[in-house]
Amino acid sequence: DAKTTQPPSMDCAEGRAANLPCNHSTISGNEYVYWYRQIHSQGPQYIIHGLKNNETNEMASLIITEDRKSSTLILPHATLRDTAVYYCIVFQTQGGSEKLVFGKGMKLTVNP
Amino acid sequence: DTAVSQTPKYLVTQMGNDKSIKCEQNLGHDTMYWYKQDSKKFLKIMFSYNNKELIINETVPNRFSPKSPDKAHLNLHINSLELGDSAVYFCASSRRDGNYGYTFGSGTRLTVV
Repeated sequence: DAKTTQPPSMDCAEGRAANLPCNHSTISGNEYVYWYRQIHSQGPQYIIHGLKNNETNEMASLIITEDRKSSTLILPHATLRDTAVYYCIVFQTQGGSEKLVFGKGMKLTVNP
Repeated sequence: DTAVSQTPKYLVTQMGNDKSIKCEQNLGHDTMYWYKQDSKKFLKIMFSYNNKELIINETVPNRFSPKSPDKAHLNLHINSLELGDSAVYFCASSRRDGNYGYTFGSGTRLTVV
């Protein structure tokens, strides 16, 4: 019952920016957009999250459209180690009963 | 320092056996989770505990019993293991409201033969 849609896969050249799209047209006003990634055989890793403003941290930038129906995760200078499955998730805190629901995600392959 | 640590990393066992997976977090988080990732790579939540209290139980067979002796530990005991239990099990923790992300362990690969 994931509430987001992502393309199944995407390629990017090493050193270039990787722009990962996500649609979440049914997002409600108090739901956040979260991004995680899972590098092969490792546990999922939190990347970034936002509500309506654009966000940036040391890993990535998150651009959320004004109507909040879609967002883009930007890896400014992709490296080979960024090859992973990326999950875009909408998530609402509910005082402890919330759960992070993973969809199929999108496989990003960074090529040399 | 590993934030969320699981043991063992690999577990191979025969059908019908009982086994446990341990998880510990040193982040001071209040909430801990177990996720299962099957061969098709789908990640599904199984349980969540908040400060030793069971909050979420996602229609998991009774053979799976989580135990939380304190808020830093959440163990998973599995009785009468079946072939279909083969998967990678991930433990995670978060602040009580889940905000600022979940931190996952590196997983336990369970193989039932």
